[in-house]
Amino acid sequence: DQQVKQNSPSLSVQEGRISILNCDYTNSMFDYFLWYKKYPAEGPTFLISISSIKDKNEDGRFTVFLNKSAKHLSLHIVPSQPGDSAVYFCAASGVSGTYKYIFGTGTRLKVLA
Amino acid sequence: DAMVIQNPRYQVTQFGKPVTLSCSQTLNHNVMYWYQQKSSQAPKLLFHYYDKDFNNEADTPDNFQSRRPNTSFCFLDIRSPGLGDAAMYLCATRRLAGEDTQYFGPGTRLTVL
Repeated sequence: DQQVKQNSPSLSVQEGRISILNCDYTNSMFDYFLWYKKYPAEGPTFLISISSIKDKNEDGRFTVFLNKSAKHLSLHIVPSQPGDSAVYFCAASGVSGTYKYIFGTGTRLKVLA
Repeated sequence: DAMVIQNPRYQVTQFGKPVTLSCSQTLNHNVMYWYQQKSSQAPKLLFHYYDKDFNNEADTPDNFQSRRPNTSFCFLDIRSPGLGDAAMYLCATRRLAGEDTQYFGPGTRLTVL
């Protein structure tokens, strides 16, 4: 039972346009969500996060939106750059009594120059 | 100013030959995690420590053990590696008070011959 899902395994976007990566979750107990970026042969790098008390968090070119009623979050990258090409993982945490994170399977973003 | 350090970055071992992967952190974080990641999959949590309190995932094979001698260091021991244990092993840390973000090391790529 996959509690965090990234249904698009890959996405291609032209440089300068918007990239939108999506993530769905099933457990309403999650209260904190994170996005990580991963290059090949490296560990995931923290990108941006959002608490369940918010519906939007912005950091430079990166914005995360949270829709709790739909149990959906998205990461917007504007404008997209070739260096953004990587695998993006969303993760969720906050199930009571644990310090665990549940990860999605990732979306490979390719930004075309 | 590396925060989560993993050594070695690449490890080659023979089938059945014990191997130890190490992780250190300069963040003084309470919680340390070990994940296994195979390509195109989500990171899979093996175990985590809250200070010295060890928490094993139910589906982590007995072949995998861990030690945390102090706050800064954590080790992953694979007692008898099989071909199916070839993967990227990721260490991560988290500070509990006031922050839910998990930080990853660069990973160790394990090859089993």
